[in-house]
Amino acid sequence: DAGVIQSPRHEVTEMGQEVTLRCKPISGHDYLFWYRQTMMRGLELLIYFNNNVPIDDSGMPEDRFSAKMPNASFSNLKIQPSEPRDSAVYFCASSRRVSGANVLTFGAGSRLTVL
Amino acid sequence: KNQVEQSPQSLIILEGKNCTLQCNYTVSPFSNLRWYKQDTGRGPVSLTIMTFSENTKSNGRYTATLDADTKQSSLHITASQLSDSASYICVVSAAASGGSYIPTFGRGTSLIVHP
Repeated sequence: DAGVIQSPRHEVTEMGQEVTLRCKPISGHDYLFWYRQTMMRGLELLIYFNNNVPIDDSGMPEDRFSAKMPNASFSNLKIQPSEPRDSAVYFCASSRRVSGANVLTFGAGSRLTVL
Repeated sequence: KNQVEQSPQSLIILEGKNCTLQCNYTVSPFSNLRWYKQDTGRGPVSLTIMTFSENTKSNGRYTATLDADTKQSSLHITASQLSDSASYICVVSAAASGGSYIPTFGRGTSLIVHP
């Protein structure tokens, strides 16, 4: 298995532009999580899906952020319009519940820089 | 509010020495606790997972302990190697609605092993 695949690995954009980050979870995993990591706050949960349905999006910073999971093998996170404070590493993770425990497998992350 | 606090924030040790990282949590109802290792520029990778009934678990030179009464965990690294330089993240999961288990992440301890 190739693991969780994220793209792009690096994105540099200008303030006001739309950013789309993509994630392909591990086949068979029924949970998908989007996290943002910064030095100041560490890993923050933005939103998670179960069986393609958004369950909790309370971590999404504001209306500029949106996430979709149209099918079991793809999710995207959009920021429109982007702002410099959105600069961070965005991680996608997937899991399936085994014996009552979610063990997340993380992608390599997408490093976003907004100028 | 579920919280996970880790200490120290950063640690520098000499190669070959042992070290212990701490994790305190206020997560309820407790489901499981995991330690992740995150190398620079990579996503976190699971090291150990412990449920309520387990108080110690080893993975090579890594040994995690859990005291569910005091809500504390530690990660002990024996005979450190240069490759142990990374961020170590404590993750505690609580049972959520619908039978899911949502993790709360600590901010991590940054470990640097010097030759």
